[in-house]
Amino acid sequence: GESVGLHLPTLSVQEGDNSIINCAYSNSASDYFIWYKQESGKGPQFIIDIRSNMDKRQGQRVTVLLNKTVKHLSLQIAATQPGDSAVYFCAENIGSSASKIIFGSGTRLSIRP
Amino acid sequence: DADVTQTPRNRITKTGKRIMLECSQTKGHDRMYWYRQDPGLGLRLIYYSFDVKDINKGEISDGYSVSRQAQAKFSLSLESAIPNQTALYFCATSAAGQPYGYTFGSGTRLTVV
Repeated sequence: GESVGLHLPTLSVQEGDNSIINCAYSNSASDYFIWYKQESGKGPQFIIDIRSNMDKRQGQRVTVLLNKTVKHLSLQIAATQPGDSAVYFCAENIGSSASKIIFGSGTRLSIRP
Repeated sequence: DADVTQTPRNRITKTGKRIMLECSQTKGHDRMYWYRQDPGLGLRLIYYSFDVKDINKGEISDGYSVSRQAQAKFSLSLESAIPNQTALYFCATSAAGQPYGYTFGSGTRLTVV
């Protein structure tokens, strides 16, 4: 069946450095990939999405890269700040109907001062 | 006030009891979802609804039921709670124009003893 998973459950980054969070997916038919951020005690928050016909998309301090050849997705956070501490989930849409997505298991990003 | 409000925030219930978790939204979104979050497993879809007359099962619907009472309200029921339904439950909404940009509530932490 479909699955989406992250390479590392935890990631520790020095404040000010760039963070790279990786994700692998299995469903070749997925046409949307999404990143969410979940801070402690809160629900997930949408960060950025990318369509399968793109290989890169940039937002504010974040960049998502999509490599369909190896079914790999990454989220890059520039100049990581303490407020970036959270669990990050990648997600992909599944099936032919819109708005149904499955989530990976998450990477916990911690920031070293 | 939050865009997506879940009640209660925390609940402890006994095995075999019926319990309802409620979700209301002020986003004006047509699409609503219930997810369950367990440690290390990410979020898993229980049920979703694309409008008031539409109810669909997700990947883990057994033991759960839902009711879409109005566009703004989507409730999740556990007919006979069991301990392995102990989890964090999230309601989410999305708009047709951005189907994967979910807005999540703050979650309901349910413990079944």
